[in-house]
Amino acid sequence: EDKVVQSPLSLVVHEGDTVTLNCSYEVTNFRSLLWYKQEKKAPTFLFMLTSSGIEKKSGRLSSILDKKELFSILNITATQTGDSAIYLCAVDRANAGKSTFGDGTTLTVKP
Amino acid sequence: GAVVSQHPSWVICKSGTSVKIECRSLDFQATTMFWYRQFPKQSLMLMATSNEGSKATYEQGVEKDKFLINHASLTLSTLTVTSAHPEDSSFYICSAPSRWPNSPLHFGNGTRLTVT
Repeated sequence: EDKVVQSPLSLVVHEGDTVTLNCSYEVTNFRSLLWYKQEKKAPTFLFMLTSSGIEKKSGRLSSILDKKELFSILNITATQTGDSAIYLCAVDRANAGKSTFGDGTTLTVKP
Repeated sequence: GAVVSQHPSWVICKSGTSVKIECRSLDFQATTMFWYRQFPKQSLMLMATSNEGSKATYEQGVEKDKFLINHASLTLSTLTVTSAHPEDSSFYICSAPSRWPNSPLHFGNGTRLTVT
């Protein structure tokens, strides 16, 4: 059975802080790992990672995958209150289509 | 713009009634759609895979007679929660694979179901 474990489950920081969110996984026939941001509705796609060691970056957010250690991190620098959300990590199998999600990390950024 | 449209966005119903949720793919055909459920402060749990023209595939522990899935066309899948009870109150989200290979799922905006 596929497994995705995220840590920490929740995190409270102040504006300007840098945070690192963790995701470890076990999956058969791994294809990709995805990060999403969820506020009040459906998840919003952030990154898709398929290769080890290649950092993906979008503004203050960045992510990297380690396929040997079965691990990914999501970094957010200079956090803002608008970054407050649940951050979900998911993994896809090859030829499966569906995603298996972790429990998410609830990030709260205080002014 | 949205590529998967889900309706309604929220619904309140009385215990014992049935509720239908629609998920439409816009401008593309989806032979497969996925239905997820999310309880407060929890992650998305896959309930079932909806297959156009054939029976849905349910995940372990999901009652197929309670959560009826119909995928009658290439652009529409429906989830009907039958004889709803308060414990069925949750956030239901549908998704469809992208038409592009190696791309993330397209999600609907979800349906907040409250059963009183």
